[in-house]
Amino acid sequence: DAGVIQSPRHEVTEMGQEVTLRCKPISGHDYLFWYRQTMMRGLELLIYFNNNVPIDDSGMPEDRFSAKMPNASFSTLKIQPSEPRDSAVYFCASRSDRTEQFFGPGTRLTVL
Amino acid sequence: GENVEQHPSTLSVQEGDSAVIKCTYSDSASNYFPWYKQELGKRPQLIIDIRSNVGEKKDQRIAVTLNKTAKHFSLHITETQPEDSAVYFCAIGNEKLTFGTGTRLTIIP
Repeated sequence: DAGVIQSPRHEVTEMGQEVTLRCKPISGHDYLFWYRQTMMRGLELLIYFNNNVPIDDSGMPEDRFSAKMPNASFSTLKIQPSEPRDSAVYFCASRSDRTEQFFGPGTRLTVL
Repeated sequence: GENVEQHPSTLSVQEGDSAVIKCTYSDSASNYFPWYKQELGKRPQLIIDIRSNVGEKKDQRIAVTLNKTAKHFSLHITETQPEDSAVYFCAIGNEKLTFGTGTRLTIIP
C-alpha cells in the first residue's frame, strides 16, 4: 500500500482565495482524521470521520473550514476564504480498529 | 475535554546516554497511549504504544511506562544515537487522539 496520500504537498495562495486539500486514506481504513500543525498550537485535531460520516468536528476553527468524505477513498478539507493565520501544515491520517494511526506526508499551506 | 501536558519541551543528551520524556493527562477514560516521532519536515510516525491494561512495554532501545492511577506515562530511550534527534509527541485517546505539545530531543555527538 502507498500509505496515506495527500495533495497538493505545497500550496501558496493569496488571502481570500479558496483552498482545497485532498486525502486518500489507506485502503481498508475506516477512520480518517484531519490535523493542523503550527509552532504556536502544535498538532490539533480538526475533524474525524468513521465510515465516511463526520463524528467530531469540534476542532474546526470556524465556518470558513469545511470537510467532506464522499466515499471511503477520498476526503477534502476546504478553506473559504483563506486567511494568513491559516498558514500551517495540514495532515491527514487514517486507521482501522486493528491498526495504528498512519499520517500522510502533509500539505504545507501558505496564505499571503 | 482531554488535556495532555508534556515535559520537557526541549532535551539535549550526550550520545549514548538515556532520555526520558513524561506526559500527564486528565482524561481517565483514555485507554491508548502512543508515542510519535517527527523528524524535521516529515510526518509523525508511531514508535511505540501502550494500552491501559499494561504497565510497561519495551521495543529494543525504546520503552514506555504507564501509571494509570497517577495519570502519567513516560518514554524512555536508552543508548541514544544521533538519529534519535527529532520531536517526540505523546498522545492519549480511544477513538481519537489528543497530542501533547512535543519535546525536541537533540543528541549531542
